[in-house]
Amino acid sequence: EADIYQTPRYLVIGTGKKITLECSQTMGHDKMYWYQQDPGMELHLIHYSYGVNSTEKGDLSSESTVSRIRTEHFPLTLESARPSHTSQYLCASRPLAGVGQETQYFGPGTRLLVL
Amino acid sequence: GIQVEQSPPDLILQEGANSTLRCNFSDSVNNLQWFHQNPWGQLINLFYIPSGTKQNGRLSATTVATERYSLLYISSSQTTDSGVYFCAVESSNDYKLSFGAGTTVTVRA
Repeated sequence: EADIYQTPRYLVIGTGKKITLECSQTMGHDKMYWYQQDPGMELHLIHYSYGVNSTEKGDLSSESTVSRIRTEHFPLTLESARPSHTSQYLCASRPLAGVGQETQYFGPGTRLLVL
Repeated sequence: GIQVEQSPPDLILQEGANSTLRCNFSDSVNNLQWFHQNPWGQLINLFYIPSGTKQNGRLSATTVATERYSLLYISSSQTTDSGVYFCAVESSNDYKLSFGAGTTVTVRA
């Protein structure tokens, strides 16, 4: 099992604030992902990375940005939070190649509320 | 992109009952996974099953790739089985999973 950590777990913040959601994994996985999920709804891919210095936008348009300076770290930043950003954000990872490359592991998620 | 449809959207079970969840997909896949999301939001991988049948305890899954569907079976359900079950597929070796809308399962004691 991969260990993926997300902080904070819960965040309540005012409109216009800059926020960074942290995601780290300890298994050396190359592929990492950010999903946005409203309660009880499907997951939407907003960003992904296949390795250091590689970042791509996902299928759902998002005003957030990501960076991948280290293999284990994939933070997501919102420059100016708005109420429409209220959601749960889930980070995931999986190996680039080899045994188990097909299995995707998820972090516990960050629940964001923008007032 | 590939379309993923899950049914039923909601399922209420009495503890001890059996159930079947279905996932239909619109194109051939090289990766299909079933996940369980618990009431606290954590997603756990249950099966990697692009074809064939697998079993893990009270859970089993079957994918018929030629007919583009997968089934997840829950036997002797327990209250801890409650949550949302998601099917996710990948069709083109792009390493991006597309998720269905999920089936919300509630198991009552």
